[in-house]
Amino acid sequence: AQSVTQLGSHVSVSEGALVLLRCNYSSSVPPYLFWYVQYPNQGLQLLLKYTTGATLVKGINGFEAEFKKSETSFHLTKPSAHMSDAAEYFCAVSDGSQGNLIFGKGTKLSVKP
Amino acid sequence: DTEVTQTPKHLVMGMTNKKSLKCEQHMGHRAMYWYKQKAKKPPELMFVYSYEKLSINESVPSRFSPECPNSSLLNLHLHALQPEDSALYLCASSQWLDSNQPQHFGDGTRLSIL
Repeated sequence: AQSVTQLGSHVSVSEGALVLLRCNYSSSVPPYLFWYVQYPNQGLQLLLKYTTGATLVKGINGFEAEFKKSETSFHLTKPSAHMSDAAEYFCAVSDGSQGNLIFGKGTKLSVKP
Repeated sequence: DTEVTQTPKHLVMGMTNKKSLKCEQHMGHRAMYWYKQKAKKPPELMFVYSYEKLSINESVPSRFSPECPNSSLLNLHLHALQPEDSALYLCASSQWLDSNQPQHFGDGTRLSIL
């Protein structure tokens, strides 16, 4: 069965600093992986996805993630944090042919001025 | 702006009331989902519809009754809810039911049970 582990329930960075949010997955089949962001009082917005092909995936708002099969990781990065990046971030893996999303527990990103 | 529209945004109801949550998408998606999200937790899948037919019911209590009247609409009928059912209810859609299809979420209905 697929599962996702997000390391760090809370990450705090300074504005302009590198953002690194960690995600490790467990999957018995080639995984499809997603990162979503949730701002307060809103739904989830897709940041990026990995299905097949290039292992470095670029998403919206300057975020990118690299699929590393050998490390079973799909970490999310952004070179320079902005105050508007403060939100909850969820990593998810798709559960087989049914398309169910298995979410990690989430990482809350705080950005200090 | 989200392409999945949920109404109402907020709902307060008593345990004996009957109410419905509505979700609408006009992206031509054929798979639609209901999730429940408690505070500081990830969304939990409740129901999945594919081509207007119920595909997955994640052992949800019968006081929650989903309905998919057409390919653009998804309803969640509520009856005799409990205080622990207070949560954010999210609707999502995807092009079809496939593991590589991203899901697009609405902003949710925040439900409070008195």
